Amino acid sequence: SQQGEEDPQALSIQEGENATMNCSYKTSINNLQWYRQNSGRGLVHLILIRSNEREKHSGRLRVTLDTSKKSSSLLITASRAADTASYFCATDEARGETSGSRLTFGEGTQLTVNP
Amino acid sequence: EAQVTQNPRYLITVTGKKLTVTCSQNMNHEYMSWYRQDPGLGLRQIYYSMNVEVTDKGDVPEGYKVSRKEKRNFPLILESPSPNQTSLYFCASSFSRSSYEQYFGPGTRLTVT
Repeated sequence: SQQGEEDPQALSIQEGENATMNCSYKTSINNLQWYRQNSGRGLVHLILIRSNEREKHSGRLRVTLDTSKKSSSLLITASRAADTASYFCATDEARGETSGSRLTFGEGTQLTVNP
Repeated sequence: EAQVTQNPRYLITVTGKKLTVTCSQNMNHEYMSWYRQDPGLGLRQIYYSMNVEVTDKGDVPEGYKVSRKEKRNFPLILESPSPNQTSLYFCASSFSRSSYEQYFGPGTRLTVT
């Protein structure tokens, strides 16, 4: 299975509610990133959390990282219909400065926010 | 405007007919990469480049070639496309290495019949 795996695969909530998505990974990482994708379009970077950070905020987004459990969560507070999209976590594996550099994406969580 | 552009956006072709998908970025980024996105499989990296003339294989490089002769361009070449290469392709770039946020292009939807 892939390095980053999101849970749940799909989430449907009402506007105003909070949405929580989880990501698990397998190897040591430099950082973990969350991206958003509107249907069939390019991904947009949301937030990056480094391996030595535990929590990060950006507007209505809150990301946590637990390296001991190899997991991360993305919380969107006070959701809006415009938040409807797919959300992906991506892990930058720790390989050292001279090694190749790759992001590995999960399969994503499809979030639907109903008006 | 800082952006990654891809061309074409949509392409329908036949098996075996060589094609190139172009990718260009105007942010002076060192790192560029190509992904394909398929239902149920998420995004998988095809090739990446850490700088001019430096390219390396990602997770699914078979059937693809790339080149990085200039910093801004990173074309994806399918020498002999097959139907299993029907997919949505994304080019991405970042300042340096994958440790930085990636800027994605709008995607190229390729159908090989």
